[in-house]
Amino acid sequence: NAGVTQTPKFQVLKTGQSMTLQCAQDMNHEYMSWYRQDPGMGLRLIHYSVGAGITDQGEVPNGYNVSRSTTEDFPLRLLSAAPSQTSVYFCASSPGQTTNEKLFFGSGTQLSVL
Amino acid sequence: GENVEQHPSTLSVQEGDSAVIKCTYSDSASNYFPWYKQELGKGPQLIIDIRSNVGEKKDQRIAVTLNKTAKHFSLHITETQPEDSAVYFCAAITLGRGNNRLAFGKGNQVVVIP
Repeated sequence: NAGVTQTPKFQVLKTGQSMTLQCAQDMNHEYMSWYRQDPGMGLRLIHYSVGAGITDQGEVPNGYNVSRSTTEDFPLRLLSAAPSQTSVYFCASSPGQTTNEKLFFGSGTQLSVL
Repeated sequence: GENVEQHPSTLSVQEGDSAVIKCTYSDSASNYFPWYKQELGKGPQLIIDIRSNVGEKKDQRIAVTLNKTAKHFSLHITETQPEDSAVYFCAAITLGRGNNRLAFGKGNQVVVIP
C-alpha cells in the first residue's frame, strides 16, 4: 500500500491564481482531512470528510474548498491564492469514520504564494 | 475549544539518555491523547496514543503518562538514539463529542547528540 499520497510536493503561485492540491489514499479510510502547518503554529485543521459526499469545515476553512466524490480522493482547492496561504499542507486519513484517531499523514505540499 | 501547550520547545539530549516532553491541555473532557513524530521533510507519524481510562502506556523505548487531575501528559523516550531526532507533536480531543477537531500542540524539537 502507498498510504496517503499528496501531489505536488512543491508549488509556487502568484497572488490570485487558483490551484488544486491532490490527496489520495489506498487504505479504504472513510475519514480524510487537510491540515496546514505554519512555523510556531502546530497543525491546524482546514476541512475534513467522514465519507464520500460529506465534507465539513475545520478550524481555518476560509479561502479553501474541498469535495469528496470518492472514498480515495480528497482534493483541496485554493480559488484565489493569497500570501497568507503560504504554508505546508498535509492530508491525513483515519480508519475511524467520525474520529481523529490514528491519523495517517501524507508527505506534504509546500506552497508559496508570492 | 481545547488548547494544548508543549514544553520545552527544544530539547537536546546525549545519545543514550532519556528525553521527556510534557503537554498540558485545558478541556477536562478530552479523552484521547496521541503523540506524533515528524522527521524533516516528512509528514507526522503516530508513535503512541493513550485514552483517558489508563494512566500509562508503553511501546518499547517509548511511553506516555497521563495525569487527568493536573491535565497534563508526557512522552518519555528512553535510551535515545540519533534517529529519535525529530519534532514531536502532542494532541488532545474529546472522542464522541463530534466536533472532529484534534487540537495539536506547537511541537517540540528533540535533538539527540551522538
